[in-house]
Amino acid sequence: AQSVTQPDIHITVSEGASLELRCNYSYGATPYLFWYVQSPGQGLQLLLKYFSGDTLVQGIKGFEAEFKRSQSSFNLRKPSVHWSDAAEYFCAVYAGNMLTFGGGTRLMVKP
Amino acid sequence: NAGVTQTPKFRVLKTGQSMTLLCAQDMNHEYMYWYRQDPGMGLRLIHYSVGEGTTAKGEVPDGYNVSRLKKQNFLLGLESAAPSQTSVYFCASSTSGAGASYEQYFGPGTRLTVT
Repeated sequence: AQSVTQPDIHITVSEGASLELRCNYSYGATPYLFWYVQSPGQGLQLLLKYFSGDTLVQGIKGFEAEFKRSQSSFNLRKPSVHWSDAAEYFCAVYAGNMLTFGGGTRLMVKP
Repeated sequence: NAGVTQTPKFRVLKTGQSMTLLCAQDMNHEYMYWYRQDPGMGLRLIHYSVGEGTTAKGEVPDGYNVSRLKKQNFLLGLESAAPSQTSVYFCASSTSGAGASYEQYFGPGTRLTVT
């Protein structure tokens, strides 16, 4: 069965600083990988996804993620964080008609 | 398009009571899902459906039942609510078949408290 680990429960960065959120997955075949964002009191919105091809994928709101098969990782990055990026971020792997989510990373942004 | 909608937004139940959560989507998606979200545990799949009249168990199905009588609706039922079912419930839908993006579109959630 597949699984997803997000090692950082909380991260605080200063506005304008760079950001990297970690995601490690466990899955036997080539994974379909996703990053979702959840603002307080809201549902989840897709940031980006990886199916195949270029291992660096671009998403909405200036986010990107890099798939590294050798490390079973799919880390999310942003070069300059904005206060509006404060939210909870979820990494997920799709297999067998199901999305399996990590526990989430809550991002706080300092002014 | 409204996307995915959920009814109700909030509910408080007493232990042993029953209720049904309604999810509706207007995107003609084949697949629909019910998740629960608990602090630190991400979203966990309760049940899902790959088409009208079909349902399947997810990761945490115990204590819940579902029905998909119409393509656009997916109902989640709690027959005898327990405090452990206090959670935020999300419905989602997605396309299927060749060329599917596998992106799931989420509703706004239902916050359920069982006392």
